[in-house]
Amino acid sequence: GNSVTQMEGPVTLSEEAFLTINCTYTATGYPSLFWYVQYPGEGLQLLLKATKADDKGSNKGFEATYRKETTSFHLEKGSVQVSDSAVYFCALIRYNNNDMRFGAGTRLTVKP
Amino acid sequence: EAQVTQNPRYLITVTGKKLTVTCSQNMNHEYMSWYRQDPGLGLRQIYYSMNVEVTDKGDVPEGYKVSRKEKRNFPLILESPSPNQTSLYFCASNPLGRTEAFFGQGTRLTVV
Repeated sequence: GNSVTQMEGPVTLSEEAFLTINCTYTATGYPSLFWYVQYPGEGLQLLLKATKADDKGSNKGFEATYRKETTSFHLEKGSVQVSDSAVYFCALIRYNNNDMRFGAGTRLTVKP
Repeated sequence: EAQVTQNPRYLITVTGKKLTVTCSQNMNHEYMSWYRQDPGLGLRQIYYSMNVEVTDKGDVPEGYKVSRKEKRNFPLILESPSPNQTSLYFCASNPLGRTEAFFGQGTRLTVV
């Protein structure tokens, strides 16, 4: 079946550090891939997405590239800020239905 | 403003007392779904609906019911809540196809 595996947390970084959160997926066909962010006390917000192989999604300094050969969609940011502290979810949706699968989530804390 | 609205945001109830969590979206989306979020497990789908009067079970449907009488509303019903249903619940909607989901703010339910 379709599934998403993402890096276990929590992750604690100092401000301006480099961030990588690993995400790999298993799916038949050609899924779309997403990163969602959940700030404290809020719902999930779309951070970025990619719909086909080699696409790069980017937003707010975050980037992720759809790698079909390694079935990965790792999230990166060159210089994190305290305001980036949140839980990050990797997710996929299959090409022929709306069945969305989520990873377990990675809690990021950025310290000043 | 495009949004998914859930109510209530917080709810404490006792075992066995029926409750309903409402969900409404104003984007005319066909697809709506309910998830529960538990630590270390990410988001798991409870039920989904492809359109009015069309609903189906997700991964963890036991103890829950839903209905879809109108396109905009998708209430979640717990006929006889139990403590293991204590969780954070999210409603989501998206148009059919490989597109991102829009989430409500969440409902934190505690069953004592």
